[in-house]
Amino acid sequence: AIQLTQSPSSLSASVGDRVTITCRASQGISSALAWYQQKPGKAPKLLIYDASSLESGVPSRFSGSGSGTDFTLTISSLQPEDFATYYCQQFNNYPPTFGQGTRLEIK
Amino acid sequence: QVQLVQSGSELKKPGASVKVSCKASGYTFTSYAMNWVRQAPGQGLEWMGWINTNTGNPTYAQGFTGRFVFSLDTSVSTAYLQISSLKAEDTAVYYCARCRRELLYRDAFDIWGQGTMVTVSS
Repeated sequence: AIQLTQSPSSLSASVGDRVTITCRASQGISSALAWYQQKPGKAPKLLIYDASSLESGVPSRFSGSGSGTDFTLTISSLQPEDFATYYCQQFNNYPPTFGQGTRLEIK
Repeated sequence: QVQLVQSGSELKKPGASVKVSCKASGYTFTSYAMNWVRQAPGQGLEWMGWINTNTGNPTYAQGFTGRFVFSLDTSVSTAYLQISSLKAEDTAVYYCARCRRELLYRDAFDIWGQGTMVTVSS
């Protein structure tokens, strides 16, 4: 199975900061990558699909980029509601796999 | 609106069985693959497998064969996850999640149920 490694595992940032989370795949996955946001006690929410496409209703401060093995999720200006855990997921190869998560905390 | 609503929390003893439901509404149930995802307490997301809602054919990830069964009742647009011979390590939140695009099973998951907490304890 393809392994996805997210970095950092945790991150402290302030409201208004620009934040980047990376996801590295153990082998090439084209652009078959998604990003999710999960808040405590809630289901994950799809933010980005196909590596860089913004899901409907998701604020434009979220963006994704990359292809092959290296991907990034960028939040251009952190808002209070963005503090959560973020997961990447690949769906190019069977089985679909998730990264271990990046916890974004308030500084 | 498009949504998946899951059944409520369950407390079960080791060795028992549990059946979790996931009712879809707001879209054509049989047009989108349905996935099941497990999240153990304090842990990440683990894909358990998927079911073709058109044919009813399930596919199980490694580690989720034998005691785990996916099924459907298309007449009520509902998917089910049944776990038998429950163990303490099955304690987790179980999510159903829809593939984003029609007729694809390799896809992002755009709609998620709210999750069902299954606790296995004597």
